[in-house]
Amino acid sequence: EAQVTQNPRYLITVTGKKLTVTCSQNMNHEYMSWYRQDPGLGLRQIYYSMNVEVTDKGDVPEGYKVSRKEKRNFPLILESPSPNQTSLYFCASSLDRRGTDTQYFGPGTRLTVL
Amino acid sequence: QKEVEQNSGPLSVPEGAIASLNCTYSDRGSQSFFWYRQYSGKSPELIMFIYSNGDKEDGRFTAQLNKASQYVSLLIRDSQPSDSATYLCAVMSSGGYQKVTFGIGTKLQVIP
Repeated sequence: EAQVTQNPRYLITVTGKKLTVTCSQNMNHEYMSWYRQDPGLGLRQIYYSMNVEVTDKGDVPEGYKVSRKEKRNFPLILESPSPNQTSLYFCASSLDRRGTDTQYFGPGTRLTVL
Repeated sequence: QKEVEQNSGPLSVPEGAIASLNCTYSDRGSQSFFWYRQYSGKSPELIMFIYSNGDKEDGRFTAQLNKASQYVSLLIRDSQPSDSATYLCAVMSSGGYQKVTFGIGTKLQVIP
């Protein structure tokens, strides 16, 4: 089944404890992206990647890191999480490396930072 | 700052009516426009995309794009209670590898 998977789905952590949210797609997609969704602010792009080893900042990259060492994986790293990073996170992928076609979203990761 | 604006709603329509959802964007260089539907607690799913001025129809859904006025709309005909969701407008700029900007979404309620 073609899909985007994220792990974990739910995470409660404490300020400053490094964490990684994994994202994997099995559709051989070029473009992958991370978003956060907050009430009243909508979906905001954190980082995106057009290909292996090619990443760029979205609108809200501060406090996040990403890597794209393999085509299928695009982990999101929070080196020192803070309470303002409490949010719902979505990973997405699309076939076209420019991201101009359909983006398929993962199920979401609900992160709470205490 | 490139912006995409939507009325957050809720927009309430009776079952069987036409629901009209609107979105305006600030970047005149925008080339690709998307409508996503998001049910509560779920991830967004694409309904339609449109690149050219005019209308694009797919079943009960019609996307309309007017680049001169910088707005894109989504019409849902014969609205069903199952259409009740939040509808997200997304815009991507032209040329190369670009960021995607989403609006905050319009919550639609279809009343049986």
